[in-house]
Order: sequence, then structure tokens, then C-alpha cells
Amino acid sequence: GDSVTQMEGPVTLSEEAFLTINCTYTATGYPSLFWYVQYPGEGLQLLLKATKADDKGSNKGFEATYRKETTSFHLEKGSVQVSDSAVYFCALRSQGAQKLVFGQGTRLTINP
Amino acid sequence: KAGVTQTPRYLIKTRGQQVTLSCSPISGHRSVSWYQQTPGQGLQFLFEYFSETQRNKGNFPGRFSGRQFSNSRSEMNVSTLELGDSALYLCASSLGGHYNEQFFGPGTRLTVL
Repeated sequence: GDSVTQMEGPVTLSEEAFLTINCTYTATGYPSLFWYVQYPGEGLQLLLKATKADDKGSNKGFEATYRKETTSFHLEKGSVQVSDSAVYFCALRSQGAQKLVFGQGTRLTINP
Repeated sequence: KAGVTQTPRYLIKTRGQQVTLSCSPISGHRSVSWYQQTPGQGLQFLFEYFSETQRNKGNFPGRFSGRQFSNSRSEMNVSTLELGDSALYLCASSLGGHYNEQFFGPGTRLTVL
């Protein structure tokens, strides 16, 4: 079945550092790919998405590119801020379905 | 536009009891999905309802059930609670099409003692 594997956490960085969180997936066909963020005590917020190969999703300085050849959707940000501290989830949604399949989440802490 | 609301936000039950959680989707959204979030298993899909019909179901025992009403509000029920049912239960609503974004509520934190 479909699955998502994320980089193990937790990840701790200093403010203004470069961030990469790796995400790879297994799915049949052409899934849509997502990054969600969860702040303490809250639900999930969609950070960015890509619906087809070579699409780049971007939002709030975060970027991820849908790479079908490597089945990857790595999250990057050039300069992180303390406010980026949260748990990040990579997810996929197969064609024709609403169901999201999530990775295990990566806890990110940014120190000032 | 109001977001997805879930009630109650926190719930404490004992083993063997049953519980009903409620989700009110964003106005106009016809699809509601439920997810269970636990530290050990992560985020797992429970089921999805669209226009009062269950469209998809995850791999959970029959103790977990749900329904959707004509106003798109949804409830999920867990019977004969077990300690392992302690989790954050999230619901998400969308317009229902494949490319429509899902919007998540804040969740209901269920603790089973």
C-alpha cells in the first residue's frame, strides 16, 4: 500500500540556518504530495502542496519539489526562524481519494 | 469564514465506555475525514464521509464508526473503549474533489483511563 517515510527527528537548528527535511514515498500512479505543519495544541495546517511531477510547492519561505524519479518531496527553507518550531508532516493523497497517508512527523526546534 | 470546529476539545473516559465526537465542517464543504493521532502510530486515517455516505474506510476495528448528517456535520463513535484509544482525533473537511484542500480542526483529545 501507499506509504511515506520522513527523516527521523527531532531536528534542532539555530536561527537563520538552512533546513532540509527529507521525505520519500511509495505509491502507485500519480499521487498529490503535501507538507503539513502542526503547532503545539493545534490541528494540522497545510504548508504547501504539489500535484504532479516536477511541480514546486512554496509558502512562507518553504519549498518542496515533486521528484517522481526519486519518489521524493524534501522540504527546504533557506533561513529558519524561531517561529518555525513545530512538527512537520509529509503526506500523500492517491488519485481519486480524499484519504491522506502521513509520514511519522519531524519535530523541529529553532534556537535563537 | 469559520474554520472546522470539533467538540469537545478534551474528554476523559474509562475503559469499556463509549464516546461520541463531533465535527462541524467549513460551510459548503461536503467531505469530512477523520484521523487518529498517537505518538506510537502517528496519523492514521479512520474514514471519510461525503454527502452522508461513507466513501472510504481505514483499517480500524468495528468499534470505530461514524456518520454524517444532511448539514455535513459528522460524528464518530468509539464503543467499548480501550486504553489504546487514547489519542488526538482530528477531522478535516473539504469540498470533496481530488484537488480540493483539506482543512483540519483543532482535534479532540481523548484520554481513556
